[in-house]
Amino acid sequence: GENVEQHPSTLSVQEGDSAVIKCTYSDSASNYFPWYKQELGKGPQLIIDIRSNVGEKKDQRIAVTLNKTAKHFSLHITETQPEDSAVYFCAASNTGFQKLVFGTGTRLLVSP
Amino acid sequence: NAGVTQTPKFQVLKTGQSMTLQCAQDMNHNSMYWYRQDPGMGLRLIYYSASEGTTDKGEVPNGYNVSRLNKREFSLRLESAAPSQTSVYFCASSGTFRDNEQFFGPGTRLTVL
Repeated sequence: GENVEQHPSTLSVQEGDSAVIKCTYSDSASNYFPWYKQELGKGPQLIIDIRSNVGEKKDQRIAVTLNKTAKHFSLHITETQPEDSAVYFCAASNTGFQKLVFGTGTRLLVSP
Repeated sequence: NAGVTQTPKFQVLKTGQSMTLQCAQDMNHNSMYWYRQDPGMGLRLIYYSASEGTTDKGEVPNGYNVSRLNKREFSLRLESAAPSQTSVYFCASSGTFRDNEQFFGPGTRLTVL
């Protein structure tokens, strides 16, 4: 089955810096890659996603890139703010977009 | 519009006790899911229901049962709780086949002593 690895497990940056989180997947048939943000005490919330027919997608300060050949995808956050502090999860799916396999999460801390 | 709601928020059980976690969504979604979240292991799918009347096993189904009571409600039952089932449980839902976004509830923190 699919296996998703995520790095780093923790990431500390200064406000205004950029943050990059990387994930690799094992199943070449995976075709949907979402990123979720989880704030303390809450459930995860989708922040951006990308499908395998697209190489990059941007939404204001966040962007996701996908390299199908290398089977990895990354989340980029620019001009980080303290409210970006949270745990971020990547995920992958290849079965009707319904069964997601999640990475182990990255705890991002943005210091003022 | 409450989204996905879960009850209870917290629960402590003794080994061998049973309980049911409740989940409901008011977004008219077809698909619903149960995940568990453990430190350092991300979210793992326990069971899912692609549509009303169907349920399927996910990655870690052992020790759990589910019921899709109707389109709105999807419950998770622990028949004989074990300490290994101490975790945070999340319910999620999604819309049609092409509507990928999963909406998560606030979670239930379960401790089994």
